[in-house]
Amino acid sequence: DQQVKQNSPSLSVQEGRISILNCDYTNSMFDYFLWYKKYPAEGPTFLISISSIKDKNEDGRFTVFLNKSAKHLSLHIVPSQPGDSAVYFCAATDSNYQLIWGAGTKLIIKP
Amino acid sequence: KAGVTQTPRYLIKTRGQQVTLSCSPISGHRSVSWYQQTPGQGLQFLFEYFSETQRNKGNFPGRFSGRQFSNSRSEMNVSTLELGDSALYLCASSPYPGPRDTQYFGPGTRLTVL
Repeated sequence: DQQVKQNSPSLSVQEGRISILNCDYTNSMFDYFLWYKKYPAEGPTFLISISSIKDKNEDGRFTVFLNKSAKHLSLHIVPSQPGDSAVYFCAATDSNYQLIWGAGTKLIIKP
Repeated sequence: KAGVTQTPRYLIKTRGQQVTLSCSPISGHRSVSWYQQTPGQGLQFLFEYFSETQRNKGNFPGRFSGRQFSNSRSEMNVSTLELGDSALYLCASSPYPGPRDTQYFGPGTRLTVL
């Protein structure tokens, strides 16, 4: 039973446009959410996080939105750049302090 | 500051064998977590160590075990390897335990079981 789902295995976006990556979760006990980015042959790197007491968090070109009622979060990248091409993972955690990860979305930025 | 290092980077074993993977965290980091990544499955949490104690364990069989040394270096061991154990094994370190703290990942060890 996947508690964190990234339903789009891949996404292709034109350079300069907005990239929107989506993530759904089923466990209402999750109260902290993170996005990681992974390049081939490297480990994931932390991108941005959000606590359940907020509905938005921004860091430069990256913004994460959280809709608790819909159990949905999204990562917006504006504007998209070629270096953003990578696999993006969303992850969630609850009081058990385990990170539960989605399967990832491969983002391809077209020049 | 050097990043998280994992050795070896690639490993080929046959069914029934056992394997030991090593992880050296960032200097000063005392928490080490291990994950298994298989295609289409995302990362699955294996276990977390802090100050040589296992703090948390994921839903994996007892064939998967780990330990942490006094210098914070960690090893994980998989005994009686199965074909399904073929995966990328990632190690992550952080200054303190718990997933809310930013984790810094190593490049992983690619294990192939034949």
